[in-house]
Parts: sequence; structure tokens; C-alpha cells
Amino acid sequence: DTAVSQTPKYLVTQMGNDKSIKCEQNLGHDTMYWYKQDSKKFLKIMFSYNNKELIINETVPNRFSPKSPDKAHLNLHINSLELGDSAVYFCASSQGTILSGRAVTYNEQFFGPGTRLTVL
Amino acid sequence: AQSVAQPEDQVNVAEGNPLTVKCTYSVSGNPYLFWYVQYPNRGLQFLLKYITGDNLVKGSYGFEAEFNKSQTSFHLKKPSALVSDSALYFCAVREIGTGANNLFFGTGTRLTVIP
Repeated sequence: DTAVSQTPKYLVTQMGNDKSIKCEQNLGHDTMYWYKQDSKKFLKIMFSYNNKELIINETVPNRFSPKSPDKAHLNLHINSLELGDSAVYFCASSQGTILSGRAVTYNEQFFGPGTRLTVL
Repeated sequence: AQSVAQPEDQVNVAEGNPLTVKCTYSVSGNPYLFWYVQYPNRGLQFLLKYITGDNLVKGSYGFEAEFNKSQTSFHLKKPSALVSDSALYFCAVREIGTGANNLFFGTGTRLTVIP
């Protein structure tokens, strides 16, 4: 009955490779997120999708491309991996609320267990 | 711009003593405030949130937090610490009325409860 799941849990790869991380939530939420946590535990938002539409795209290299095939899934594809991409990547989801025609949310986010990416 | 500060990287407290983990925030308008806990090799777990209403918010595992608008603070507290409370704690904020859904997280405070 896992709420937010990510695969793989660990990913070790060489520089220059392309890799994907998958995320699925079974909570019926309409908003999903990707966060990056660096070695100092600093947590930063990368992307946010609401109903399969991109609503947040922070300053992230375009080597990172999120894809949301449906509301329950938000995958992260990374091209040409670099050493600095090594981090723990967390997926999260929440239930949004529509205010004035826009999707906003103040509901808590549920996080996946994380994917530890190591680029050699 | 939104930001969160957790001034203490590390907090040590003896088991059974009260604990406080500090958080201050900065937003242009009114804030939504959250506390999350991260156990080793795990994702973040929601503890509690302040949206509106009573300034004292009660959450999971006996934790509570007090919203103080004049001091722009949202400190996390627990009357009696347990060894199992040892973890990394994150404060987060987003601004009411903005279209963005993203949370801004503090840098985290590592709580160690000493038996």
C-alpha cells in the first residue's frame, strides 16, 4: 500500500549516460513534484506538474526532462549525466485546489523514499 | 521572494526533556508553513502545517508548532523528547495567494535525543 513509490532506489552510472527515474502515486493526487537533495541535505524543487501539465520549472538544466503520462506518474529523464547530478532525488505528490481558475495547493506533500543517483 | 531559515544545524536534547527546533520565514504576504521529518535513508514525512486559525498547531507524534507572525517564526516543539525522535527536521513555507505550488525548504536541523 505504498503511497508514493520511486524506482530505482539506487542508480550508479557513468558520466555522459542517459537515465530515467520513475515515480508513481496511488493517492489520487493531481499534483506531483521532483526535488533534488544534495550532499548537504539541502532540498530544492525542480519541477511540479498539475493534472499532467507542467506548472513549475525551476532553474534546472534542460538535460532534465520530466514526463507525466498520467496523473499518477511523473518520471524524470536525465540526459548526458554529469558528476554534479549526483544527489538524492525525491518525488512527491499533493492534492491541489483550484482558486480563480488556477491550481494552487496548501495541502501537505507526500514524499517517495528517494532515488540515490551516483554519477562516476 | 520566499525563504526559510533554520538557524541551528544540530540540536541535542536529553530524552524526556522538552525540545525546540527553530524556524523563521520570509514572505511578502501570508504564509503557509510546514514541518517535515526525514529519518535516515527515507523520504520526508509530513508532521504538521499552519494555514490559518489557531497559532498553536498540533501534529503527528506529539509535536506541535507555534506560528508567531510578529517574529515570523514557526518553531517546532515537543514537551518530552524520545530517542526515536532523532532525525532531520525541515521547515517549509509557501506564500498564500501565489500561483506557485512549490515549497521552499530550510536547510534542515538534525535532532539528536540522548538516552
